[in-house]
Amino acid sequence: GAVVSQHPSRVICKSGTSVKIECRSLDFQATTMFWYRQFPKQSLMLMATSNEGSKATYEQGVEKDKFLINHASLTLSTLTVTSAHPEDSSFYICSAGGDYGYTFGSGTRLTVV
Amino acid sequence: AQSVTQLGSHVSVSEGALVLLRCNYSSSVPPYLFWYVQYPNQGLQLLLKYTTGATLVKGINGFEAEFKKSETSFHLTKPSAHMSDAAEYFCAVSVPMGGGTSYGKLTFGQGTILTVHP
Repeated sequence: GAVVSQHPSRVICKSGTSVKIECRSLDFQATTMFWYRQFPKQSLMLMATSNEGSKATYEQGVEKDKFLINHASLTLSTLTVTSAHPEDSSFYICSAGGDYGYTFGSGTRLTVV
Repeated sequence: AQSVTQLGSHVSVSEGALVLLRCNYSSSVPPYLFWYVQYPNQGLQLLLKYTTGATLVKGINGFEAEFKKSETSFHLTKPSAHMSDAAEYFCAVSVPMGGGTSYGKLTFGQGTILTVHP
């Protein structure tokens, strides 16, 4: 079945640095990628939607300059957290969407110290 | 816009007992409905989904859900709980889109943590 590989699974970074999270669709073409953020004990909140080759659409309240999304190919989408701060610490999950439904990555636990 | 309400943030059952996780949705158009399970520090695994057709949907691991339009509900059930069912469960809704992507963005409920006692 469809698989989305998300890396890294865990990352610890220093405050002020940038972190890149990758999501790759391994055996299908992901025309649309959704990026979610999940705080402890909470639900998934959609951050942005990206379509291959076009700019991402960000949800209200999400800083597009802080959370850079690139979807340059049908098999790779990246989320870069720029100038990370401790409040950016969270669980980030990508999901590829298409005619078949949604396939989720395994998530990235980001800790900013 | 669509929304999802999961009644009960925590549900506790005994092993072998019926599992019932409640989900109500709001949507201005006929929705697509999903149930996902999440284990700690992992992504989401699809249990089942409803798009069109038969309103009783069977999923993996013995779970099923019934789409009831009149009640705007999509409750998840399993006849007999197993210890391995302990996890967090999310109900989600999306609306179908035209063009190249049939599935629009998902909106999740707040989640229900299922605890299974021996």
